[in-house]
Amino acid sequence: EIVLTQSPATLSLSPGERATLSCRASQSVSSYLAWYQHKPGQAPRLLIYDASNRATGIPARFSGSGSGTDFTLTISSLEPEDFAVYYCQQRINWPPMLTFGGGTRVDIK
Amino acid sequence: EVQLVESGGGLVQPGGSLRLSCAASGFTFSSYWMSWVRQAPGKGLEWVAYIKQDGSEKYYLDSVKGRFTISRDNAEHSLYLQMNSLRAEDTAVYYCARDFTMIAVAYYFDYWGQGTLVTVSS
Repeated sequence: EIVLTQSPATLSLSPGERATLSCRASQSVSSYLAWYQHKPGQAPRLLIYDASNRATGIPARFSGSGSGTDFTLTISSLEPEDFAVYYCQQRINWPPMLTFGGGTRVDIK
Repeated sequence: EVQLVESGGGLVQPGGSLRLSCAASGFTFSSYWMSWVRQAPGKGLEWVAYIKQDGSEKYYLDSVKGRFTISRDNAEHSLYLQMNSLRAEDTAVYYCARDFTMIAVAYYFDYWGQGTLVTVSS
């Protein structure tokens, strides 16, 4: 099983600041990594797929980078609605065995 | 508008059974792989099961194999999760989720429901 480790566990920032979230895989996942945003009581939202592709309707302030074992989600300038928990997720094609990271909470400082 | 609405959660005793349902609308349900993902209280997301468009392929998290069964009814635009021999560690909010791509499979999820809570406790 591929383990995804996200850091930091919590990030306390102010609106307008830049957020940098990390996701490290226990073995290479190539570029098969996604990022999701999750707010309490809401459905998770796909932000980034295949490491660096923004999903439909996702603002340009969200960007993803990385390959192999090290990945980064960057929010260039935090908006009030961006304070949430962010998860990374990897996929293995055959058989499907999908795993998520433990999450990074982005809090208002 | 794509909508996924889960139902069927509740309180069940250890060893008991529960059947979750997910009603889909706003897209061609029969064209997409579908999945269940759960989140235990205070924990992160955990993928549970996946099913192909026609139901011919199904995949499960190791810890639920032999206990959970994913199924679908394309005529009814519905996804199901039959959960048997439930354990305390199955307590979670269960989300229905749609695969990102039509026809093929991407193993990412672009639409999710709001979730239904399953509590396994005596």
